[in-house]
Amino acid sequence: DTAVSQTPKYLVTQMGNDKSIKCEQNLGHDTMYWYKQDSKKFLKIMFSYNNKELIINETVPNRFSPKSPDKAHLNLHINSLELGDSAVYFCASSQIPVGRARGEQYFGPGTRLTVT
Amino acid sequence: SQQGEEDPQALSIQEGENATMNCSYKTSINNLQWYRQNSGRGLVHLILIRSNEREKHSGRLRVTLDTSKKSSSLLITASRAADTASYFCATRLRDSNYQLIWGAGTKLIIKP
Repeated sequence: DTAVSQTPKYLVTQMGNDKSIKCEQNLGHDTMYWYKQDSKKFLKIMFSYNNKELIINETVPNRFSPKSPDKAHLNLHINSLELGDSAVYFCASSQIPVGRARGEQYFGPGTRLTVT
Repeated sequence: SQQGEEDPQALSIQEGENATMNCSYKTSINNLQWYRQNSGRGLVHLILIRSNEREKHSGRLRVTLDTSKKSSSLLITASRAADTASYFCATRLRDSNYQLIWGAGTKLIIKP
């Protein structure tokens, strides 16, 4: 069973288009994340939701809008795509580190976005 | 924001040798975690060490934590070709339930 899944795996699109990436986790976690990994493998947090509530919103262009319809899903919509948006986008989830939970994160396989 | 720095940036060793990677951080932490990323895949959690622990083992992995120096090391013993991957450290700051602060990663290549 896939724990954290993302679709699509690859996304090639032209500048100016609008696209969405979907993420689902079946781990029962409360918290979900979106990361951007650039060509140098640098991993940057973009957003985090806890129980559908936005809790981390790093300095990201407002062309990026996350949406969490329920705590198992966190989608990422990108408007007016630019060349610099080309990267691999990872979704992740974790349980809040209280009690026995340690807060390690579980990652999806990534979505490679190429903007031409 | 980036807290962790890892060194070396890249490491190439022969199969069977031990590989050591280091991670330094800047502020007080609750725990430190190591992840592996195989080429074209998502990150996979390897091991977590709490701030009050000094050493942790898991199979061929050994992690140490020195909070006085704000540094950690990951040792992989008897390396295998399948260990070829990028390795990232991530710190959970004190009083933070949600965010991990990530290092830039060490690219490890195991030569057969």
